[in-house]
Amino acid sequence: DSGVTQTPKHLITATGQRVTLRCSPRSGDLSVYWYQQSLDQGLQFLIQYYNGEERAKGNILERFSAQQFPDLHSELNLSSLELGDSALYFCASSVDQAIGNTIYFGEGSWLTVV
Amino acid sequence: GENVEQHPSTLSVQEGDSAVIKCTYSDSASNYFPWYKQELGKRPQLIIDIRSNVGEKKDQRIAVTLNKTAKHFSLHITETQPEDSAVYFCAASYPGDQAGTALIFGKGTTLSVSS
Repeated sequence: DSGVTQTPKHLITATGQRVTLRCSPRSGDLSVYWYQQSLDQGLQFLIQYYNGEERAKGNILERFSAQQFPDLHSELNLSSLELGDSALYFCASSVDQAIGNTIYFGEGSWLTVV
Repeated sequence: GENVEQHPSTLSVQEGDSAVIKCTYSDSASNYFPWYKQELGKRPQLIIDIRSNVGEKKDQRIAVTLNKTAKHFSLHITETQPEDSAVYFCAASYPGDQAGTALIFGKGTTLSVSS
């Protein structure tokens, strides 16, 4: 158990809908990362938050947004869902944003768009 | 931004053989290179990492080498065992625009060790 908690574990929704994925980082970790894993694209970095502020942005679509709350949990919002958004979404956390700190992954949220 | 290329995409070896996975990165500002192992249906887990001021690091049967000039780093697994079968990802640190840090991953190598 990495200490990173993600909910829900599985989610099935229809195209055009909106979903929210939730992440609680390890106790004491200030930095949260979101990654998307699909079969042909590997682990794609979406976005990073540190202590409530956005700090790095990857290949995150405009239909997607995220935030980190004062209690450090984070949410990833996916809207106007398309079939291609079906993937495993990982949240990860690290103690801070210093390079070299281990990034720990949660178990992921499986999203299926039908 | 950073781009990480990983080869091969699949690798099959016999138990006891060595396995080598190679990665290249594009951003010379990257200075941290971890390797993650992901078993089927599970989360990626860190197995070894290396910083840019070190050329090689070893931990029991696994080792990583780094060539900063060539922007190339490799994972070496010796005396492979069936439990080494998994997907291995290399990654490079990404100096984000907003002073953030993240990891950019290669597309993964599926290692199969047959007994």
